[in-house]
Amino acid sequence: EDQVTQSPEALRLQEGESSSLNCSYTVSGLRGLFWYRQDPGKGPEFLFTLYSAGEEKEKERLKATLTKKESFLHITAPKPEDSATYLCAATDSWGKLQFGAGTQVVVTP
Amino acid sequence: DGGITQSPKYLFRKEGQNVTLSCEQNLNHDAMYWYRQDPGQGLRLIYYSQIVNDFQKGDIAEGYSVSREKKESFPLTVTSAQKNPTAFYLCASRNYREDPTEAFFGQGTRLTVV
Repeated sequence: EDQVTQSPEALRLQEGESSSLNCSYTVSGLRGLFWYRQDPGKGPEFLFTLYSAGEEKEKERLKATLTKKESFLHITAPKPEDSATYLCAATDSWGKLQFGAGTQVVVTP
Repeated sequence: DGGITQSPKYLFRKEGQNVTLSCEQNLNHDAMYWYRQDPGQGLRLIYYSQIVNDFQKGDIAEGYSVSREKKESFPLTVTSAQKNPTAFYLCASRNYREDPTEAFFGQGTRLTVV
């Protein structure tokens, strides 16, 4: 059965304290790995797509990487406005788009 | 403006009633999805559809039904068989057939059973 598992469930950071979020997946025929940011009461906002192992994408303080079994979202020198829930999702050959449970990140000044 | 629209934003249902949540997109996307989100949790897949007149069950389809009569529309009915329907419901769409692209989300419908 396909699974997407994120860790940790929650992360509390001081402003400027870098850290990484993990997304491990067991998806047959992976065709894409996605990272989203979600603020309370809103729909998820797209961040990155990764298609193959070794690929990396970067945007401001965020960097996403992909291996054959997992993906990491690195947050470098976070600011309070980076506080959100970060979701990863995997899609297979049949079009199914499955999300992990998310990591809730709180960045304190 | 291109986008994906969910309505209503808030919905209240009495126990035993069926309710239908609307999802419309004008992005010309092939695939559409319905997710349920409970407080502090991730998105769980209810149903998805890649083409008109075809759809597949997700991980938690029991108590829900969908239709895909038009490419732009993918309504979700929460039936009285769904025992715990209070949740935040999200609809998404994307292109899928070639390189699968990211999904775009609506702003959600918050359903409360009263």
